[in-house]
Amino acid sequence: ETGVTQSPTHLIKTRGQQVTLRCSSQSGHNTVSWYQQALGQGPQFIFQYYREEENGRGNFPPRFSGLQFPNYSSELNVNALELDDSALYLCASSDGWEQYFGPGTRLTVT
Amino acid sequence: AQSVAQPEDQVNVAEGNPLTVKCTYSVSGNPYLFWYVQYPNRGLQFLLKYITGDNLVKGSYGFEAEFNKSQTSFHLKKPSALVSDSALYFCAVRTLYNQGGKLIFGQGTELSVKP
Repeated sequence: ETGVTQSPTHLIKTRGQQVTLRCSSQSGHNTVSWYQQALGQGPQFIFQYYREEENGRGNFPPRFSGLQFPNYSSELNVNALELDDSALYLCASSDGWEQYFGPGTRLTVT
Repeated sequence: AQSVAQPEDQVNVAEGNPLTVKCTYSVSGNPYLFWYVQYPNRGLQFLLKYITGDNLVKGSYGFEAEFNKSQTSFHLKKPSALVSDSALYFCAVRTLYNQGGKLIFGQGTELSVKP
């Protein structure tokens, strides 16, 4: 196990709702990245935070937003949920070359 | 644009036989390449990386990968497959993006090892 934890494990939301996913990074890691993995696909980069600042963003709309806290834990917020947002959301923490992934949060939008 | 291709959706191997999972990449500049494995309902586990140096990289669980610059490939290999190696394998290339760097993943290859 990597030491990266995510909560919740699963959740079900209705289209149009808002959701917050949480990630605790591995001790000492100051960088957190978020990825979306749709069924049967490879993970897609959403954004990255380094020392509480956004440090790069993938091709996702502004309704995907995030935060990183002083202890380097992080949140991913998604507003106005759409059916296509159903996916496994992975966070990864890093202090160098390797990114260590958490187990993911499975989001289902109905 | 940087990209990774895994040409095989599925690879089937008999236990004890060698296995190869293929990956090709397209990057501008030096490639930084990774292999990850994903078991059902789990996150990604790091297997190995190529940053610089020897073209043959050894990683976790007996896996290795060969970096071939001329063929822009980074194939994952194992001399003798185990049933427990059955999983989804992802190749990824990293962009140099300050501290962490974002990973660009291939579509994944499902490895099935039969007894």
